Amino acid sequence: AQSVSQHNHHVILSEAASLELGCNYSYGGTVNLFWYVQYPGQHLQLLLKYFSGDPLVKGIKGFEAEFIKSKFSFNLRKPSVQWSDTAEYFCAVKGASGGYNKLIFGAGTRLAVHP
Amino acid sequence: GAVVSQHPSRVICKSGTSVKIECRSLDFQATTMFWYRQFPKQSLMLMATSNEGSKATYEQGVEKDKFLINHASLTLSTLTVTSAHPEDSSFYICSARDWQALTEAFFGQGTRLTVV
Repeated sequence: AQSVSQHNHHVILSEAASLELGCNYSYGGTVNLFWYVQYPGQHLQLLLKYFSGDPLVKGIKGFEAEFIKSKFSFNLRKPSVQWSDTAEYFCAVKGASGGYNKLIFGAGTRLAVHP
Repeated sequence: GAVVSQHPSRVICKSGTSVKIECRSLDFQATTMFWYRQFPKQSLMLMATSNEGSKATYEQGVEKDKFLINHASLTLSTLTVTSAHPEDSSFYICSARDWQALTEAFFGQGTRLTVV
């Protein structure tokens, strides 16, 4: 069965610190990978996605993620966080073939950035 | 990006009553819509997948007679929570997939249901 694991449930950083949130998935076939962000009181928004090609994906607001197929990982990074990045971050995976169209989410990582 | 509108954003209902939540894709046609439930401080749990014009596919453990899903058109899916109980109180989120894009899903703003 498809599953997504996010290693850190709660991360606290100071502004300007670097961020890396881990995401590992289990799925035997080709995957599409996503990172979503949920700001307090708001709905999910897509940060970035990987379908194919360059495994280093750049998203909005300075975020990037690297797909490492051998490690089944899709970690999210940002060189310098801001207070406005305080939110919950969800990694999600969808099988890319065989009509398997479910989007499965990780448990989420709650990021708090202090000024 | 495409817009998915969910209504209402908040609803409070009495135990035993039914509540309907609407999910609309505003600027694209969604052959597939997904319904999720999010418990406090937890991730989104997929409840069911609905395809336009056919019966929804429910995830294991989700009662199809309690959570009625209708996807009658390419722009509208509804989730009806029947005979609501306090334990049904949760945040319900829909997402819709653009049949042309095939891969990316867009999310509604969610509905917070409180059953008293």
